[in-house]
Amino acid sequence: ELKVEQNPLFLSMQEGKNYTIYCNYSTTSDRLYWYRQDPGKSLESLFVLLSNGAVKQEGRLMASLDTKARLSTLHITAAVHDLSATYFCAVEEAGGTSYGKLTFGQGTILTVHP
Amino acid sequence: GAGVSQTPSNKVTEKGKYVELRCDPISGHTALYWYRQSLGQGPEFLIYFQGTGAADDSGLPNDRFFAVRPEGSVSTLKIQRTERGDSAVYLCASSSTGGRLTYNEQFFGPGTRLTVL
Repeated sequence: ELKVEQNPLFLSMQEGKNYTIYCNYSTTSDRLYWYRQDPGKSLESLFVLLSNGAVKQEGRLMASLDTKARLSTLHITAAVHDLSATYFCAVEEAGGTSYGKLTFGQGTILTVHP
Repeated sequence: GAGVSQTPSNKVTEKGKYVELRCDPISGHTALYWYRQSLGQGPEFLIYFQGTGAADDSGLPNDRFFAVRPEGSVSTLKIQRTERGDSAVYLCASSSTGGRLTYNEQFFGPGTRLTVL
């Protein structure tokens, strides 16, 4: 059974600081997704990572994928209050009959303080 | 264009009742997914449709849960004899691809918050 673990689960940051959220998963996959969720809202797609060494950047967020280590990171640069949200990584099993199905991590609740 | 829509946005029901939750995917998307999200948790997969057929229903918790997509577009998630433990937000997502040979970026709807009293 695929397991996806994020850490930290809670992250309180000061504005202007940098930090990284980690996403480890337990089985071979080269399809990893990052989503953002604001309170009471649905999930917004942030990044799609499809190969070993993939790196995507959008504004102050940068995501990377290391399929050999089964690890993805979401790096936050110079945090601003608008980034406060819950961030999820999700892994798609790409084999057997399980394609399409996403397994999510527990989520990281990010709060950015002035 | 329009995103994934779900109705109702909120549903309150009594234990033992039957409920139907509807999902309207993005036009042209062939793949449709249902997930369930409990408070403070990540979404959990329930079922995945490719066209009209269920490609993977391994996440349905028991036989009280059933989903259909008769014309390959709108889907309905049906829950019989609801229990308090069914209370959660039910999320629907769709993707334009779907399948073994390509990735499946999924776009989520706003969800239906189900409360079973």
